[in-house]
Formats: sequence, structure tokens, C-alpha cells
Amino acid sequence: KAGVTQTPRYLIKTRGQQVTLSCSPISGHRSVSWYQQTPGQGLQFLFEYFSETQRNKGNFPGRFSGRQFSNSRSEMNVSTLELGDSALYLCASSLNSGSSYEQYFGPGTRLTVT
Amino acid sequence: AQSVTQLDSQVPVFEEAPVELRCNYSSSVSVYLFWYVQYPNQGLQLLLKYLSGSTLVKGINGFEAEFNKSQTSFHLRKPSVHISDTAEYFCAVTLAGGGADGLTFGKGTHLIIQP
Repeated sequence: KAGVTQTPRYLIKTRGQQVTLSCSPISGHRSVSWYQQTPGQGLQFLFEYFSETQRNKGNFPGRFSGRQFSNSRSEMNVSTLELGDSALYLCASSLNSGSSYEQYFGPGTRLTVT
Repeated sequence: AQSVTQLDSQVPVFEEAPVELRCNYSSSVSVYLFWYVQYPNQGLQLLLKYLSGSTLVKGINGFEAEFNKSQTSFHLRKPSVHISDTAEYFCAVTLAGGGADGLTFGKGTHLIIQP
């Protein structure tokens, strides 16, 4: 079974621009979560989507948004990019929503904001 | 809210020696606990998890961890490490039950295996 795929793997954007990252979960998985990883703040939970609905959201500004499609694929969008948004963005999928379900992580998208 | 503290940012150890990576958590309610490993330029891979039951949890690649509720700890151990174990290790916690609360991670411990 194919793992979680994220596209693109690397991205360079300019401050003020917006960006969209994509995540394809493992086949059959219905929940997708997003995390931001930076050297300073570590790994932080952004949000989770299940059945096209956002179930939970971490402590991030409204510039960070996401959505999930009927095939469970998910996208996250960051508008008005800031230098501090430079990070590795990780997507994780799980069979169902809920803390007991194992999350499988993709390789991440490394975003650099200049 | 829950939090995780990984007491060591870096742990050097010789090949074939035992290792323990320390993790302490804080929460006022029941939690689930996890250990993940991250190799360079890769995502996270689950090593093991504690949901309930036996406090000694065995995972992949010869790792195990012990849940200690009184000390709010979940330390990761391996009796004999290999060069291939060089990686970043993350302890994570989430609220027990069916909620979708996301994982709260520690800052990570870089395990360095010396030949």
C-alpha cells in the first residue's frame, strides 16, 4: 500500500505571497492532520480534517487554513506568508478520527519564505 | 492542556551500548503516549504507543518504553543500539478517549551513535 504523499516536496516563496500544499493519505484513511515543524517551536499541530470537516485546530492564526476533499485528499493554504512560516509541513493520515488511531506521516513539504 | 518535556536534546552513545531517552508529560486527565522517530529528510515513523493495559510497551526495531503514571514519565529504551538508530526521537501525548485533539510533541532528542 502506498504511503502518505505530499506535494511539492520543496517550495520557495516570497513574503506576502500565498501557498497551497497538498497531501494524499493512505488509501482507505479518512482522517488527515497537518503539523508544522520548525527548529525553534518544534512540531506543532495545525488542524485535522475528517469527512471533509475540520475537527480540531491548533493555535495558529487564520492565515493558515485547510480543506479536505471527498476522496480524503487534503490541502493546506497559508496566505500572506511571513518569514516565520518557513518550516517543514507534515501531513499525517489515519484510518479514522480519534486519538487512539495511529497516524502515518508523509515526508513533508519544506517551505522557505524569503 | 498537556505538555511534553524531553530532558535531553542530544544523547551520544557507543554502538551496542544500551540507551534511554527520557520523556516526562504533564496533563490533568488521562493521556495516550507515543514515541516517533525521524530520520533525516523524512517524516515521522511510529516506534510504539501506550493506550492502556500493560505499562511496558514493546515497539519496532527493538525499542520499548515504560509508562509510569506516578512519575508522569514514558522513557524509551533499547538494550543495544546500532549505527542505523541515529535519528531524532520525539515523544508525544494526546488526550485519551475518542477526541481529535492532535498530538503534542516534545522538542526531540537527537540520538548519536558512535562507532
